[in-house]
Amino acid sequence: EDKVVQSPLSLVVHEGDTVTLNCSYEVTNFRSLLWYKQEKKAPTFLFMLTSSGIEKKSGRLSSILDKKELFSILNITATQTGDSAVYLCASRPSRETSGSRLTFGEGTQLTVNP
Amino acid sequence: DGGITQSPKYLFRKEGQNVTLSCEQNLNHDAMYWYRQDPGQGLRLIYYSQIVNDFQKGDIAEGYSVSREKKESFPLTVTSAQKNPTAFYLCASSRTSGDYNEQFFGPGTRLTVL
Repeated sequence: EDKVVQSPLSLVVHEGDTVTLNCSYEVTNFRSLLWYKQEKKAPTFLFMLTSSGIEKKSGRLSSILDKKELFSILNITATQTGDSAVYLCASRPSRETSGSRLTFGEGTQLTVNP
Repeated sequence: DGGITQSPKYLFRKEGQNVTLSCEQNLNHDAMYWYRQDPGQGLRLIYYSQIVNDFQKGDIAEGYSVSREKKESFPLTVTSAQKNPTAFYLCASSRTSGDYNEQFFGPGTRLTVL
């Protein structure tokens, strides 16, 4: 059974801090890893990582995948109160196995205080 | 505007009643998915469909049913057999081909069983 584990489950920081969110996975026929941000309702897509060691960056957010260690991190620098959300990590298997279905981790609840 | 719509936003039902949640997308995506989210937890896959007139069970399909008669629509019925139906239900869709086939989510339906 595919498994995705995120840590920490909850994190409280002050504006301006840098945070690192962790995601480890055990997936048969791994294809890619995705990060989403959920602020109350619909998760919104952040990154998809397929290749090991290549950092994806979008503004203050960045993410990297380590396929050898089965691990990904999401970094947020100079955090703002608007970054407060649940961050979800999900793995996707190869299309030959289970199509496009994702396995999600429990999520990390990030709270950024002013 | 392209996107995914879910209705209703909030739904209340009495124990023992079936209820159907609507999900429509105009993104021309082949695949559609239903997830359930409980407080403090990640998303768990209920059912998914890769193509019209075909669907597969996810990890927690018991007590739920779906249909996929049209590409744009993937309604979910929560039956009276579902033991703990109170939850937040999210619908998603994605392409099935290419590398960039991340899932896009609707705004969700919060179901409360009284």
